[in-house]
Amino acid sequence: GDSVTQMEGPVTLSEEAFLTINCTYTATGYPSLFWYVQYPGEGLQLLLKATKADDKGSNKGFEATYRKETTSFHLEKGSVQVSDSAVYFCALTTSGTYKYIFGTGTRLKVLA
Amino acid sequence: DGGITQSPKYLFRKEGQNVTLSCEQNLNHDAMYWYRQDPGQGLRLIYYSQIVNDFQKGDIAEGYSVSREKKESFPLTVTSAQKNPTAFYLCASSMAEPSYEQYFGPGTRLTVT
Repeated sequence: GDSVTQMEGPVTLSEEAFLTINCTYTATGYPSLFWYVQYPGEGLQLLLKATKADDKGSNKGFEATYRKETTSFHLEKGSVQVSDSAVYFCALTTSGTYKYIFGTGTRLKVLA
Repeated sequence: DGGITQSPKYLFRKEGQNVTLSCEQNLNHDAMYWYRQDPGQGLRLIYYSQIVNDFQKGDIAEGYSVSREKKESFPLTVTSAQKNPTAFYLCASSMAEPSYEQYFGPGTRLTVT
């Protein structure tokens, strides 16, 4: 079945460091890909998405590019802030299904 | 503002009692979902509904029940048959087209003692 694999956390960075959180997927169809962010005690918020190969999703300085050849959707940010500390989830859904598949989440801690 | 509301934020129950978690959306979405999240883990799908009066079991439906009598509402009942009900429960909704993202509510933290 379809699946999403994320790098394990926690990822601990100093403020202004470069961030990469790896995400790879397997899907039988042609998936849409998403990154969500969850702050403590809250629901998930959509961070960015991409619906076809080579699309780049971006929001709030975060970026991710849909790479079909490597089945990846890695999240990047050039300069993280303390306020970026949260759990990040990679997810996919495929046409013909109403199910969304989530990775296990990666906790990011940014130190001042 | 459009969005999803879940109530209450915190819920405490005694073992053996059924409890119903509320989820309401005013986004005019056809599809609604319930997930369970345990500490340090990802989301596990309990039930989902694509349309009013229809719903399907997710990966961990045992011990849970739902109804979808109105487009806006998708309540989840945690029954006494659920062996480990203490968790964070998230409701979500989406357009009836898989390329669209899900919108999540703020969650309900259920504690059963």
